[in-house]
Amino acid sequence: AQTVTQSQPEMSVQEAETVTLSCTYDTSESDYYLFWYKQPPSRQMILVIRQEAYKQQNATENRFSVNFQKAAKSFSLKISDSQLGDAAMYFCAYRVNYNTDKLIFGTGTRLQVFP
Amino acid sequence: DTEVTQTPKHLVMGMTNKKSLKCEQHMGHRAMYWYKQKAKKPPELMFVYSYEKLSINESVPSRFSPECPNSSLLNLHLHALQPEDSALYLCASSQVPASGNTIYFGEGSWLTVV
Repeated sequence: AQTVTQSQPEMSVQEAETVTLSCTYDTSESDYYLFWYKQPPSRQMILVIRQEAYKQQNATENRFSVNFQKAAKSFSLKISDSQLGDAAMYFCAYRVNYNTDKLIFGTGTRLQVFP
Repeated sequence: DTEVTQTPKHLVMGMTNKKSLKCEQHMGHRAMYWYKQKAKKPPELMFVYSYEKLSINESVPSRFSPECPNSSLLNLHLHALQPEDSALYLCASSQVPASGNTIYFGEGSWLTVV
């Protein structure tokens, strides 16, 4: 069964500092996609970053980057220069590349940012 | 522009009412989704439409009835709901069904059943 695990229910970081959110997944597939979504108090799910499993290079989007370790089935999100607006629930998600429309979510990590 | 628009943003309905949630996207996406999210939980998939046809129903009770009138619109018809159905209902879309394409979400409709 395909599962996504986020072992940190809550994390906190000081403004301008760096924080890393953990995500592991279990799959027997070789071709898949991984995502980090952010859900602020407004509740809209916003795509933060996406990683294709066939790419060895880690994805980056401005202050957000991932550490994708395919063999270890690990997909952590690093937020650099944290801002107050980064405070949100972060969900890691997994999607197989074929034959299914299911996006499998982890349980989420709530990130607090302190000034 | 990656925008999925949902209306209404908030809905309060009685257990005997009939109401509908609406979702619209103009990105040319051919897969559309309904998710249900309870407080402090991840979203749970309810329905998937691929090319305007229902492709996945995650054993959702019949009091929830989805409809896809055209490639841009998705409705969720609600009838005889229970208080435990109170949740955030998220609509989403992606460019191509059954692929690794990114799924884009709307802002959600908060539903309260009284």
